[in-house]
This record gives sequence, C-alpha cells and structure tokens, in this order.
Amino acid sequence: GQNIDQPTEMTATEGAIVQINCTYQTSGFNGLFWYQQHAGEAPTFLSYNVLDGLEEKGRFSSFLSRSKGYSYLLLKELQMKDSASYLCAVREGNYQLIWGAGTKLIIKP
Amino acid sequence: ETGVTQTPRHLVMGMTNKKSLKCEQHLGHNAMYWYKQSAKKPLELMFVYNFKEQTENNSVPSRFSPECPNSSHLFLHLHTLQPEDSALYLCASSQESGDNAYEQYFGPGTRLTVT
Repeated sequence: GQNIDQPTEMTATEGAIVQINCTYQTSGFNGLFWYQQHAGEAPTFLSYNVLDGLEEKGRFSSFLSRSKGYSYLLLKELQMKDSASYLCAVREGNYQLIWGAGTKLIIKP
Repeated sequence: ETGVTQTPRHLVMGMTNKKSLKCEQHLGHNAMYWYKQSAKKPLELMFVYNFKEQTENNSVPSRFSPECPNSSHLFLHLHTLQPEDSALYLCASSQESGDNAYEQYFGPGTRLTVT
C-alpha cells in the first residue's frame, strides 16, 4: 500500500541544525517534494528530488535514497521563523501526490 | 503575494445549506487541484483538473461537486455536508508537461465549519 511516514513533532534550538526524516512506500515514484506550512497559511514549495543525492538550497538541503525509500530535509542555522510544519510528498505518476501527515517543528530560543 | 486565491477564507454552514468555494490561479498553469486538510492528517486529494478535464476523483462523496469552467478557475460546490467535513480546503495549481513533475502552488485555503 501507499504510506509516507515522518515524525509528528520535533523541537530544536535557534541557530542549530535539524534533520527531518521521511520514509515512503509507494507503488510508483516520480519525485519527492518537501513543503513548508506555517500555521494558518498555505503550504509553500521547498525542494524537489528525483535522483539520489543531496540538493542544497541556501540553509535548506534535501536528500533522497530511492533504494531505501528515504528522504530527509536538513535545516541549518535555524531561525524562529522556521517554526512550521514540514510536509513530505511523493509523486507516484501523473498529478497525484501522496502526502505525509507533516512534522511540526518547534524552534526554541 | 500568492498566485492562487481562494474565497471565502472562512465559512460556517449548516448541514442543509448549499455553498460554493472559489479558486482562481494567475500563474497560467494547466492543472488545478482541490485538497482537504484535517488536523494531524495527510493532505487528501479530492479532485484534479487538467486542461479543464477532470482526471482524478478519489472516491469523494457526491455532496462535493467540482466545477472547472476554464483553466484559471475552479469551484467546489457543497451541499448537505456532515460535521466531519469540517476542515481546511486547499486549492492548488501546477504546470504539467508529460512525465515531468512540477511543484504545486497553493492558495491560502478556506476554513470550513459544518454545524
């Protein structure tokens, strides 16, 4: 069956580094997305991985291992504004994204 | 400013009411989506339209009825809803091209409460 797992909640300290993991089991794979969603707001696109390896974009990096069905989002130099939910989603074929329930990240000063 | 707008932002309706949610995208995309987001649950895809044609309908109850008059506008018509339908309803759009995957852009959502 289709399944996306990510931790429900994580806490980290301002200025630190945090890694949010995502594991998936899907019938197909055409890329993995990470989105950020602040409370009461729309999800916004962060990153996309379709090949194995690390994609770096400023303070955020995303890693993919297709053989392990595993991805992580790495956030460096955490800021208070990074407090949000982070959603992992796998695209199986055309159009349809399978979503995880999201990881709520709490940043403490 | 987001390229996807939704109205209304908040809606309270009784189970016998009929209402409609509206979504408009200003990004020139060719695909639009309706999602349901409930607390602590994954986003649930309800409907997908590509080039105004409905391509996905994930077993959504008939009390939800989508309408896509053109590639920029999407509606979700609601009637005889149940309290469990209370949720955040998100609209999204993307530019689809063959097998390539592109990110979806989301609107701010409509917070729906069914009483």
